[in-house]
Amino acid sequence: QKEVEQNSGPLSVPEGAIASLNCTYSDRGSQSFFWYRQYSGKSPELIMFIYSNGDKEDGRFTAQLNKASQYVSLLIRDSQPSDSATYLCAVNNAGGTSYGKLTFGQGTILTVHP
Amino acid sequence: DAGVTQSPTHLIKTRGQQVTLRCSPISGHKSVSWYQQVLGQGPQFIFQYYEKEERGRGNFPDRFSARQFPNYSSELNVNALLLGDSALYLCASSLVGLNYGYTFGSGTRLTVV
Repeated sequence: QKEVEQNSGPLSVPEGAIASLNCTYSDRGSQSFFWYRQYSGKSPELIMFIYSNGDKEDGRFTAQLNKASQYVSLLIRDSQPSDSATYLCAVNNAGGTSYGKLTFGQGTILTVHP
Repeated sequence: DAGVTQSPTHLIKTRGQQVTLRCSPISGHKSVSWYQQVLGQGPQFIFQYYEKEERGRGNFPDRFSARQFPNYSSELNVNALLLGDSALYLCASSLVGLNYGYTFGSGTRLTVV
């Protein structure tokens, strides 16, 4: 079992729709969870992070965390063509001062078509 | 404010050579991590440094080494380059703690021929 798994994709949604990206993780000790967006040929860009169960909203983006189910998701409302990118889920299960190790999923390619 | 800066942007090396990649973190960030991203995959953790000490190491061979300087900048060294080392090398900096995100630099694209 992979440490962090994302829905395989690619995911295609029409402009204005809700895009739902999902991620599961294997380590119950995981403490914080990140969603990154990566455009082709560019580096990952942090969209949101969450560390408490429940929902966290930032503009058109909502991150949802369920530690009991070891599941984290990202919803993108009113999807725009500019949202077309690879979305990476990352998990931090380190403690103390060793916070630098993020374990990434393989990414989900999202395409928003006009 | 300047983000995470990495140099060089692109690099072409021959098998067996050595390479040094550089990273300057965001001002105030004392933690620097290095990642390798092969095309089509998520980034893989290589090293984390905090206060000039190695705090974590990923599953990479000893050909990979790194260090952090008193100004918190960092270098990643790779010796005896293999074709499989061709990848995007990413540096990320952060404040320390669970409640902070990690900001990536634009990366160094290394091609080994």
